[in-house]
Amino acid sequence: DTGVSQDPRHKITKRGQNVTFRCDPISEHNRLYWYRQTLGQGPEFLTYFQNEAQLEKSRLLSDRFSAERPKGSFSTLEIQRTEQGDSAMYLCASSLDGPVYEQYFGPGTRLTVT
Amino acid sequence: SQQGEEDPQALSIQEGENATMNCSYKTSINNLQWYRQNSGRGLVHLILIRSNEREKHSGRLRVTLDTSKKSSSLLITASRAADTASYFCATDNNAGNMLTFGGGTRLMVKP
Repeated sequence: DTGVSQDPRHKITKRGQNVTFRCDPISEHNRLYWYRQTLGQGPEFLTYFQNEAQLEKSRLLSDRFSAERPKGSFSTLEIQRTEQGDSAMYLCASSLDGPVYEQYFGPGTRLTVT
Repeated sequence: SQQGEEDPQALSIQEGENATMNCSYKTSINNLQWYRQNSGRGLVHLILIRSNEREKHSGRLRVTLDTSKKSSSLLITASRAADTASYFCATDNNAGNMLTFGGGTRLMVKP
């Protein structure tokens, strides 16, 4: 299977701890996106990479959040000093370059902050 | 904030019936996409319709787009129990680098 993969699938952490999630996109896709989805809602855009460059960030991405995509391949999303409000599903997607390509989503990482 | 609003929020039908979901959005778009999400899982891309298209088909799916009304509909014909899922419409921001999702329609197909 050469789809988008995410690791871990589930993460339970205590408030105040740091967590890091990983996303491996489809290999030929040079765009990578992070979204957050809370229960009963649609996904909300967090940030987007074109190769290794982070080109857009939502205002949802507070200074406790940081994302990287070294070498334009996999990406990591780190949340520092987690809060209970960070509990959500974190989804990664990738796509080819251009305005009309569909985004392919990974299975998500479900974060629970206790 | 969510640009798209799906209607209805929940829909329950019998297997074999057709299911229609509607999506409205607020700003101009480059394209509109529909996704399916099974409980607690990632999103599966169903269909993309460009802003200059009015209708598109894929198997049992039919999508329409009315840019003058800023609305789209997804029709699933001859529904199956396996179609039970949440369905989301998503619009791009004309730069093709982010999607804005609606709140979704939760579809239940009873066998």
